[in-house]
Amino acid sequence: GDSVTQMEGPVTLSEEAFLTINCTYTATGYPSLFWYVQYPGEGLQLLLKATKADDKGSNKGFEATYRKETTSFHLEKGSVQVSDSAVYFCALSDRGDYKLSFGAGTTVTVRA
Amino acid sequence: KAGVTQTPRYLIKTRGQQVTLSCSPISGHRSVSWYQQTPGQGLQFLFEYFSETQRNKGNFPGRFSGRQFSNSRSEMNVSTLELGDSALYLCASTSETLSYNEQFFGPGTRLTVL
Repeated sequence: GDSVTQMEGPVTLSEEAFLTINCTYTATGYPSLFWYVQYPGEGLQLLLKATKADDKGSNKGFEATYRKETTSFHLEKGSVQVSDSAVYFCALSDRGDYKLSFGAGTTVTVRA
Repeated sequence: KAGVTQTPRYLIKTRGQQVTLSCSPISGHRSVSWYQQTPGQGLQFLFEYFSETQRNKGNFPGRFSGRQFSNSRSEMNVSTLELGDSALYLCASTSETLSYNEQFFGPGTRLTVL
C-alpha cells in the first residue's frame, strides 16, 4: 500500500538557518503530494502541494518539488524564523481517493 | 467562510465507556474524513464519508464507527473504550470541485481514556 517516509526529528535550528526535511514515498499510481504543518494545540494546515511530476509547490518561503524518478518531495526553506517552529508532515493521496497517508512528522524548533 | 469545527475539544472518559465526537465541515464541503493522531502511531486514517455514505475505511476495529448527516455534519463513535484509544481525533473536509485532494482540518478533539 501507499506509504510515506520522512526524516526523523527533532530538528533544532537557529533563526535564518536553512531547513530541509526529507520525504520519500511509495505509491502504486500517480499520487498528489502534500506538506502539512501543525502548530502546538492546533489541527493541520496545508503548507503546499504538488499534483504531478516536476511540479513545485511553494508557500510562505517553503518549497518542495515532486520528483517521480526519486519518489521524493523534500521540503526546504532558505531562512527560517522562530514562527516556523512546528511539526511538519509529508502526505500523499492517490488520484480520486480522499484518504491521506502521512509520514511520522518532523518536529522543528527554531531558536532566536 | 467558517472553518471545520469539532466538538468537544477535550474529553475524559474511562475504560469501557463509549464516546461520540462531532464535526461540522466547511460550508459546501460534502466529504468528511476522520483521522486518529497518537505519539506512537502518528496520523492514521479512520474513515471518509460523502453524501451520508462511507466511501473509505481504514484499519480500525469495529468499535470505531461513524456517520454523516444530510447537512454533511459527521459524528464518530467509539464504543468500549480502551486506554489505547487516547488520542487527538482530527476531522477534515474537502470540496469535490477541486482537482486535487486538499483537506481542511479542524482543531481536533483530545480524548483521554482513564
